[in-house]
Amino acid sequence: KQEVTQIPAALSVPEGENLVLNCSFTDSAIYNLQWFRQDPGKGLTSLLLIQSSQREQTSGRLNASLDKSSGRSTLYIAASQPGDSATYLCAVIGYSTLTFGKGTMLLVSP
Amino acid sequence: DTGVSQDPRHKITKRGQNVTFRCDPISEHNRLYWYRQTLGQGPEFLTYFQNEAQLEKSRLLSDRFSAERPKGSFSTLEIQRTEQGDSAMYLCASSLRPSGSSDTQYFGPGTRLTVL
Repeated sequence: KQEVTQIPAALSVPEGENLVLNCSFTDSAIYNLQWFRQDPGKGLTSLLLIQSSQREQTSGRLNASLDKSSGRSTLYIAASQPGDSATYLCAVIGYSTLTFGKGTMLLVSP
Repeated sequence: DTGVSQDPRHKITKRGQNVTFRCDPISEHNRLYWYRQTLGQGPEFLTYFQNEAQLEKSRLLSDRFSAERPKGSFSTLEIQRTEQGDSAMYLCASSLRPSGSSDTQYFGPGTRLTVL
């Protein structure tokens, strides 16, 4: 059974800092890995999708990497802003379903 | 196209009552998924459809839960005899999956259920 772990569970940083969120998974037989953002009480917004054949994806200030062999992914956020405050979820994509981690709750203070 | 929509957004019910949620996927998406998310946890897979066929169900989906997608478009999730443990956010997602490959799932805003 696939298990996804996200570290840290919570993170508080001042505005402008660069930060890294970590995701690890137990079964490397994955299709893709996806990072989501979730604001309190809301649905999920897809940030980045990394296909299993890729090593990284970038979108604006976000960069996600994937190392299938070690079962790890990282989400790098550059120059953090208060609007980045949210919970960030990592999901591993198997043949038919997503397996999520519990998320990292990020607070960026002005 | 306005994305995945869910109705209602919030539902408060008393224990023992039945509730039904609706999900409208992105048009022409052939796959539709249901997930449940409790406080402080990531979403957990419940079930998914390819067109009108229900292809997989999680063991989380007890016999009090039933999902349908009768015409391969919208889907409903019904919970019978609700229990307080059913209180959660119910998320719907859809995708357009070519055969033999994985896909990108697009999520709706969710329905938050509170069972008193």
